[in-house]
Order: sequence, then C-alpha cells, then structure tokens
Amino acid sequence: KQEVTQIPAALSVPEGENLVLNCSFTDSAIYNLQWFRQDPGKGLTSLLLIQSSQREQTSGRLNASLDKSSGRSTLYIAASQPGDSATYLCAVRPPGTYKYIFGTGTRLKVLA
Amino acid sequence: NAGVTQTPKFQVLKTGQSMTLQCAQDMNHNSMYWYRQDPGMGLRLIYYSASEGTTDKGEVPNGYNVSRLNKREFSLRLESAAPSQTSVYFCASSEERQGRNQPQHFGDGTRLSIL
Repeated sequence: KQEVTQIPAALSVPEGENLVLNCSFTDSAIYNLQWFRQDPGKGLTSLLLIQSSQREQTSGRLNASLDKSSGRSTLYIAASQPGDSATYLCAVRPPGTYKYIFGTGTRLKVLA
Repeated sequence: NAGVTQTPKFQVLKTGQSMTLQCAQDMNHNSMYWYRQDPGMGLRLIYYSASEGTTDKGEVPNGYNVSRLNKREFSLRLESAAPSQTSVYFCASSEERQGRNQPQHFGDGTRLSIL
C-alpha cells in the first residue's frame, strides 16, 4: 500500500533563505507526483506536476525533483518570502488509477 | 474563470440529518473528485468520477453517495450524518487524457460540523 510522508510537519525560516521540503513514498511505481500549496481556509493550488519519466520541474523560484528509485521528491524554494507561508503538500498517483495519495503536509512560515 | 465552486462553504448538522454538498467546475474537465481533510490525516479520497456517467469508490466511501449530474457537476450526499463525518470536504477536477498528466484544480472547501 502506497504511503506518503512529509517531514518536518512544520518549519520556520527567515526571509531570503533557500529551503527544501521533503516528500517520501513507499512504492516507487508512480504515474506522477504533484506538489500543492494550501493557504489557511482555502483549497489546494497545484504548484508543480512531475511525470514519472521526469527528474524535475521548475516554475519561477520553485524547483521540484523526483527520484523514484529512492522514493523521494524535494521541493526547493529559492529566496523565500513571507508570502510563501502556507502548507505544502505532495501527492502521488499510482499507475493505472485516477487516485492521488496525499502526505499530511509541511506547514511553512517565512519570517520577515 | 470561477474554476471549481463548492456550496455551501459552512454547514452544521445534527446526527442523522442528510445533506448534499454541491460542486461545479467550468473548465470542461472530464474527471472530478471528492476528498475529506482531517487534522493529521491529510486528504483522503471519498469518491471520484473519471467521466460523465461513471463513479468509483475511493479510500473512505462509507456513509457517502455521489452523483455525476453532468460534465460540470458532481455532488456528494450524506444520507445520515454522523459526528465522524465532521471534516472539511474538497471537490477537485482535472482533465485526464491518455498519456497526458494534468494538475488537479480544487475548490475552497465545505466546512461541515455534525453535532
């Protein structure tokens, strides 16, 4: 059974710092992996989607990497800003399904 | 674009009452999903609909029913609400095509409390 873990559960960093959020999954057979952002009281916003054949995806200050063999993905945020404060979730999709399995998220606070 | 719209945003029910959560998307997506989010447990899939006219169970379907009314709308019904169904419910949609991975788009959620 696929399980997704995100550690740490919470993280505080000073503004301007580069940071890495971690996501690990137990089964390397995945169709794709998504990183989401969730602001308090809001729904999820997809940040990056990495297909199983890809190693990384980039959007602005965000870079997500995928290493299926080790069951890991990282989300790199460059030059963090207070506006980056939110909960970040990763989700994996097993092959042959429409289902996503979510981690419990990392709550990020960027201090001004 | 409105994206994914959920109604109501908040609801309080008594145990045993029934209600329907509504979801509509205006992106012409073929797939739609219902999730619940509970503290410390992440999002769990309740039901999904790969296309109009089809529905399938997710991880936690017990106590729920769904209807894919048309391509735009996917409703979630609680027939006899229980306190364990107190949660935040999210609807999502995506365009699924063979060989193409598309991101999921989420609504802002329905916060449901059952007393």
